[in-house]
Amino acid sequence: QAVLTQPPSVSGAPGQTVTISCTGSSTNVGAGYDVHWYQQLPGTAPKLLIYANNNRPSGVPDRFSGSKSGTSASLAITDLQGEDEADYYCQSYDRSLSAHVVFGGGTKLTVL
Amino acid sequence: EVQLVESGGGLVQPGGSLRLSCAASGFTFSSYSMNWVRQAPGKGLEWISYISPSDDSRYYADSVKGRFTISRDNAKNSLYLQMNSLRGEDTAVYFCAKDGYYIDSGGKKEYFHHWGPGTLVAVSS
Repeated sequence: QAVLTQPPSVSGAPGQTVTISCTGSSTNVGAGYDVHWYQQLPGTAPKLLIYANNNRPSGVPDRFSGSKSGTSASLAITDLQGEDEADYYCQSYDRSLSAHVVFGGGTKLTVL
Repeated sequence: EVQLVESGGGLVQPGGSLRLSCAASGFTFSSYSMNWVRQAPGKGLEWISYISPSDDSRYYADSVKGRFTISRDNAKNSLYLQMNSLRGEDTAVYFCAKDGYYIDSGGKKEYFHHWGPGTLVAVSS
């Protein structure tokens, strides 16, 4: 059971907008820890998509955006494209755990 | 260009040991914290270990504490993971990940900026 809760799957048609939620608690996201997002294309390593809630590394299209409020964070993907079909993971920190680093369970995005 | 390449994975029997390596290039290795993150077949990501740039801090997930040891050789630009007392549930692809960081009012914050392609560890008799 992942500490951060994500929907197992989302889907959308090309050109549409989808959002992926990441729900935490008062010991992680709600405690003020930032949320980071990773994209994992099939058969490849994860890739950093968003860091510190809403910052895109160079090379990441501005179709990807992040936000955070309270105990939750969200990843929005606009103008959905076929190459966006992948697994998406949120990551943060939890002060109640000795190791601190926590991931969401991942969300499979299907482009219809 | 940052490059991370893991090696050392393979098939090992329960109770056995394995040492993973991660060769780094394209950045000043000694300036960055490094991590190991694993992914069991068909499952999500699990962080397992962290080491600071000068090796003055090491952290482990509870699932591997006491069995796995992270280390680094800054002269060789290499990261290692010594895995002992391996179990079936350790079967996974193991990724090394280089930290990125930013500074805010709360101090230095880190995330997993670059990842290697991973190496598969299979624990089975």
